[in-house]
Amino acid sequence: DTGVSQDPRHKITKRGQNVTFRCDPISEHNRLYWYRQTLGQGPEFLTYFQNEAQLEKSRLLSDRFSAERPKGSFSTLEIQRTEQGDSAMYLCASSLEPPIQPQHFGDGTRLSIL
Amino acid sequence: GENVEQHPSTLSVQEGDSAVIKCTYSDSASNYFPWYKQELGKGPQLIIDIRSNVGEKKDQRIAVTLNKTAKHFSLHITETQPEDSAVYFCAALYGGSQGNLIFGKGTKLSVKP
Repeated sequence: DTGVSQDPRHKITKRGQNVTFRCDPISEHNRLYWYRQTLGQGPEFLTYFQNEAQLEKSRLLSDRFSAERPKGSFSTLEIQRTEQGDSAMYLCASSLEPPIQPQHFGDGTRLSIL
Repeated sequence: GENVEQHPSTLSVQEGDSAVIKCTYSDSASNYFPWYKQELGKGPQLIIDIRSNVGEKKDQRIAVTLNKTAKHFSLHITETQPEDSAVYFCAALYGGSQGNLIFGKGTKLSVKP
């Protein structure tokens, strides 16, 4: 069990640029989740996948955000035309299939918008 | 919207004392309540969880209690150690979802040697 892996750990970009983050879940986990965490707050749910199917999206996931999990293994989260308000830690978690299974988080990608 | 409130926001205890963190939730359909510990620069680490069919669960120095009628749950840490210092988050699984955890705002615990 190597844990959830996220890449890159840090990303600094200029406003208006596109960025993409990658998440590799724990190998036997078929559920994958994306959360966003701003300073001093708890994580906020963005979306989740079961295998390659995206089953739920939060209202926080504006049309500038897109998440994919094409082969049911790793996932990518892309933000287009970044804005100052996108600065946050983007966390990925994974779990086994329901009934309810614990979500295990990676160490996140910290995004800073200049 | 669905909400989880967490108190206190900061907590300072002496090594060896107990620490208690309390959370309330709004969604009566929530049935799963995990607790996470987050250290600086790291992701949240699951430390204990409880399901709605159980009132209490213990794991060594950590225990969680759940009162479904009152919609509140608590984390108890006994015999605290300096390495327990971190930010702790409670969460509730949103009843209309199978994946959406609603988190509290966190409690920064400091354990003084």
